[in-house]
Amino acid sequence: DAGVTQSPTHLIKTRGQHVTLRCSPISGHKSVSWYQQVLGQGPQFIFQYYEKEERGRGNFPDRFSARQFPNYSSELNVNALLLGDSALYLCASSRLAGVNEQYFGPGTRLTVT
Amino acid sequence: QQQVKQSPQSLIVQKGGISIINCAYENTAFDYFPWYQQFPGKGPALLIAIRPDVSEKKEGRFTISFNKSAKQFSLHIMDSQPGDSATYFCAASILTGGGNKLTFGTGTQLKVEL
Repeated sequence: DAGVTQSPTHLIKTRGQHVTLRCSPISGHKSVSWYQQVLGQGPQFIFQYYEKEERGRGNFPDRFSARQFPNYSSELNVNALLLGDSALYLCASSRLAGVNEQYFGPGTRLTVT
Repeated sequence: QQQVKQSPQSLIVQKGGISIINCAYENTAFDYFPWYQQFPGKGPALLIAIRPDVSEKKEGRFTISFNKSAKQFSLHIMDSQPGDSATYFCAASILTGGGNKLTFGTGTQLKVEL
């Protein structure tokens, strides 16, 4: 079975631009979470979605937004990019929102110049 | 506020030895404690997890020891192999609002030498 897939793999953007990252969860999983991993640190929680509804939000500015589609895939959007947004963005899927086990995708490496 | 503290930052172990990574948490509401393994350029992979009603869980060469009163848990890798060289993250979570967010430690870079 396919794991969590994310696209694109790598992305280079300029400060002030907008970016959209995409994630497809494991087949049968209905919940998607987004995490930001800065080099040398652990992942930081950004959002969790379940059945198209936001179920949790981390301590990130309003420039970060996300949504989940009827097929359970998800998009993470970041507006007005800053140099500090450069990171690995990870998507994790879980069977339900109230299930602990989360399985991560390979991530999207975003570089802001 | 860092809610999960992880040590050491890096660890070098000889092949066949035991690797031990420690984590401490502050929030007693945490009810799930997983460990993730991450190779360079890859996403974290769920390795093993434990709930606070159990003091130890073993899966193959990997064991979690959990001390609820001390608010500490650790990962033991027995018979460490060069292929175990990776970054290991402990994490903790609470099921709140019908959701579940993982709070990660800062990671331990493990190198297993021949």
